[in-house]
Amino acid sequence: GAVVSQHPSWVICKSGTSVKIECRSLDFQATTMFWYRQFPKQSLMLMATSNEGSKATYEQGVEKDKFLINHASLTLSTLTVTSAHPEDSSFYICSAKILQREQYFGPGTRLTVT
Amino acid sequence: AQTVTQSQPEMSVQEAETVTLSCTYDTSESNYYLFWYKQPPSRQMILVIRQEAYKQQNATENRFSVNFQKAAKSFSLKISDSQLGDTAMYFCAFMSTNTGNQFYFGTGTSLTVIP
Repeated sequence: GAVVSQHPSWVICKSGTSVKIECRSLDFQATTMFWYRQFPKQSLMLMATSNEGSKATYEQGVEKDKFLINHASLTLSTLTVTSAHPEDSSFYICSAKILQREQYFGPGTRLTVT
Repeated sequence: AQTVTQSQPEMSVQEAETVTLSCTYDTSESNYYLFWYKQPPSRQMILVIRQEAYKQQNATENRFSVNFQKAAKSFSLKISDSQLGDTAMYFCAFMSTNTGNQFYFGTGTSLTVIP
C-alpha cells in the first residue's frame, strides 16, 4: 500500500514553454503533498507544501508564479513550471502524507529544458 | 529551526560486512520522528526505517537497525550483512510534529557495497 505515482517520468521541453507534472496517491487519500527539487548528488530541497483545497505554502526563495501548485483533490497534486528555462532543469519529486505519518515518495520526474 | 547533519559523504563496505551511517540533528522539540530513506540509482526514495522519539527502544527492520540516542541527538543506521542492492544514497530525515510534518533532510551518505 501507500503508492505514489508521478507523470511524466521524464520530460523535455523548449525554453519558454510550460510543463505540468502530476502527482497521485494511488491507494490512499493524502492530507498533505510536498514538492521537492533535487540536483545531482545533492539532498532533496523542499519547494512547497500543499493541502487539498487550499493554497500551497512555498519555501523561501521559491517563485510561486513560476512553480504553480494545484492540489485539487486528496489524491492529486500538480506542479506546473511556467516559462521554463534551462536553469529549471532538475529532478522533481513529490511526496504524500497521511496525517502524522511518514511521507511516501513518488518516483520523480526528470525535467530537461532545452 | 531543525537541522540534520550527515558527516559522511561517502562510505564503502565489503559485501556481507556491517556498516554504520551517522546522523545527528538539532531540535528543541520533544516529540518528533526520525527516518532513514534509501535512494538507489533509480532515484526512488524508499523508507528504510522509522523511529518515534518517545520510544526508547531502537527500531529494527531485518538487517537494518538504528542506534537512537535522544539526549545526544544522534540517530545512526547500522546495516548488517551488506548486500550489493544496498548500494545507494542514504538520507536521514527529521519530521516535526509541530510544523506541518515537514521533513528536514540531511545531505546524504553515498554507500557503495563492494563485491
